[in-house]
Amino acid sequence: NAGVMQNPRHLVRRRGQEARLRCSPMKGHSHVYWYRQLPEEGLKFMVYLQKENIIDESGMPKERFSAEFPKEGPSILRIQQVVRGDSAAYFCASSPSGLPAYGYTFGSGTRLTVV
Amino acid sequence: AQSVAQPEDQVNVAEGNPLTVKCTYSVSGNPYLFWYVQYPNRGLQFLLKYITGDNLVKGSYGFEAEFNKSQTSFHLKKPSALVSDSALYFCAVREGMDSNYQLIWGAGTKLIIKP
Repeated sequence: NAGVMQNPRHLVRRRGQEARLRCSPMKGHSHVYWYRQLPEEGLKFMVYLQKENIIDESGMPKERFSAEFPKEGPSILRIQQVVRGDSAAYFCASSPSGLPAYGYTFGSGTRLTVV
Repeated sequence: AQSVAQPEDQVNVAEGNPLTVKCTYSVSGNPYLFWYVQYPNRGLQFLLKYITGDNLVKGSYGFEAEFNKSQTSFHLKKPSALVSDSALYFCAVREGMDSNYQLIWGAGTKLIIKP
């Protein structure tokens, strides 16, 4: 059981480029959550997805950010036209269910640096 | 509104001494409470959770936490700290309703164990 896999682990982008972050949930998990963590800060919820559906994107910035979780393949968090303020660690978590008794399993994160 | 407070940004403990990392919460229904640990440059790892039952919950690495409903607290404890316990600790809560999937996170407490 490989756990939640995120890649790349580190990503450097110049301002204005696009960043694509990938997350493969644990086997059997169909619920994916994306979080952002700024240095020395806690986790900020971004988006919650199930296969082919966005359930809650209330934490996503209105522009430049999008997420998907297709029927086949990993979940993708896309940031277009990156700016320096997008530099952060982005964590993906998965769970087998959206029910509250389950906690999440986290990936190791993607550290995005915008130069 | 649901919220979680970790009142201490940092806790310093000498190796071998007992440690406590504080967490208080606010939810309108029954809380489901979680503790996670984050080591440097890593994702979050699940430590323990309280769903129902015994108020004292035992988790990984010798940690335990006590659910106190009257004080709305879920403090993390360990009888004897190790240097390797130094990390960032996050408390999280979700309301015990089937439709409520989101975890609400505290800002984190940095635990430093000195030899």
